Amino acid sequence: QVQLQESGPGLLKPSGTLSLTCDVSANYISNDNWWTWVRQRPGKGLEWIGEISHNWGASYDPSLRNRVTMSLDKSNNEFSLKLISVTAADTAVYYCAGRPGDAPRWGQGILVTVSS
Amino acid sequence: DIQMTQSPSTLSASVGDRVTITCRASQSINVALAWYQQKPGKAPKVLIYKASRLESGVPSRFSGSGSGTEFTLTISSLQPDDSATYYCQQYQHYWAFGQGTKVEIK
Repeated sequence: QVQLQESGPGLLKPSGTLSLTCDVSANYISNDNWWTWVRQRPGKGLEWIGEISHNWGASYDPSLRNRVTMSLDKSNNEFSLKLISVTAADTAVYYCAGRPGDAPRWGQGILVTVSS
Repeated sequence: DIQMTQSPSTLSASVGDRVTITCRASQSINVALAWYQQKPGKAPKVLIYKASRLESGVPSRFSGSGSGTEFTLTISSLQPDDSATYYCQQYQHYWAFGQGTKVEIK
């Protein structure tokens, strides 16, 4: 079964850039699979940020489209999230996820706090 | 984009009760639907995928049904450990989540 693990800084200053990486267990980042970022702000529900596929590129939530970029490194079995110009409203637990088989699979999440 | 509407937002029930949560999609998603359980400070845990398939290791008191735009998650006999927030999620076109249902034990 695929395993995913997020990594990156847990504390950012306002106007900075959030950069997270998701390591995917070997051989699952294939050309056709889609890989996803989801976030959950404190006390709130789950928000889809976007997804990326090696074959098909990336798609983003319209509310974040002008600030977000996703990339995928097939050789290192990882994909990444970059969010620019962060504010306190971007404080959240960020999850990487995917669906290489029938069921969605998630990482454990990483808390990112935006504070001066 | 596909919108997911989940109800109720909260429910309170007794141990042993049968509990049902409903999720409605704004357009047909066939059976591309998952249900999650989330406890405070934890990642969402997959309970059901493809609308009705029970994830390995999940107790059989959980079941899912539906197709198209109407879906339900049923807990046949509520247990104390089931106190959590439950989310539905469609993965037919991108991903989208319901607003969540907080289940409390009376």
